[in-house]
Amino acid sequence: ELVLTQSPGTLSLSPGERATLSCRASQSISSNYLAWYQQRPGQAPRLLVFAGSSRATGIPDRFSGSGFGTDFTLTISRLEPEDFAVYYCQQYSKSFTFGGGTKVEIK
Amino acid sequence: QVTLRESGPALVKPTQTLTLTCAFSGFSLSTTAMSVGWVRQPPGKALEWLALIDRDDEKLYSTSLKTRLTISKDSSKNQVVLTMTNMEPVDTGTYYCIRIHNSGWFDNWGQGALVTVSS
Repeated sequence: ELVLTQSPGTLSLSPGERATLSCRASQSISSNYLAWYQQRPGQAPRLLVFAGSSRATGIPDRFSGSGFGTDFTLTISRLEPEDFAVYYCQQYSKSFTFGGGTKVEIK
Repeated sequence: QVTLRESGPALVKPTQTLTLTCAFSGFSLSTTAMSVGWVRQPPGKALEWLALIDRDDEKLYSTSLKTRLTISKDSSKNQVVLTMTNMEPVDTGTYYCIRIHNSGWFDNWGQGALVTVSS
């Protein structure tokens, strides 16, 4: 099974700051088959980024995805109040697996 | 506009079989290259993909749960049904219906259905 490890587990930041979230795969993910999701408290996840770096419809450009192979990053350039949430990476190269999540909390 | 809505029992007893229905609109499983599937999330924990079904009735299951899962569809009703046998308390969580893009990402999610397994 292709395992995804997200770090850090929790990120404490202030509004306006930059957030950098990491997702590392146990083996190379072909064709950048990696997505990122945001889950706000009490809500269903929503797609932010697919194919490693393509933003989903309606996602603000402060969200950006990058990386290849086994190391991927989600960057939020300037945190807005609504961005404090849990973020999951997911691979769809070999079946489907999710990372354990990174919680972005208000410092 | 794509919508997905889960329905099913909120409480099931250990050893019972869970049956969840996903009613969707805004697309058709019989004509699109998309698939429909399920993801679950135990309280306070991470997401776990369970199963998917496509327009050709091809089915994929989580390796760890495949012996307990069955997914089926009724394209005329725009519904997908998931059954999970031999439910245990560790199966407690929110079950989400998802639309899966033909390239593999999950582009639409239902609101989720909370299922508690308890005697």
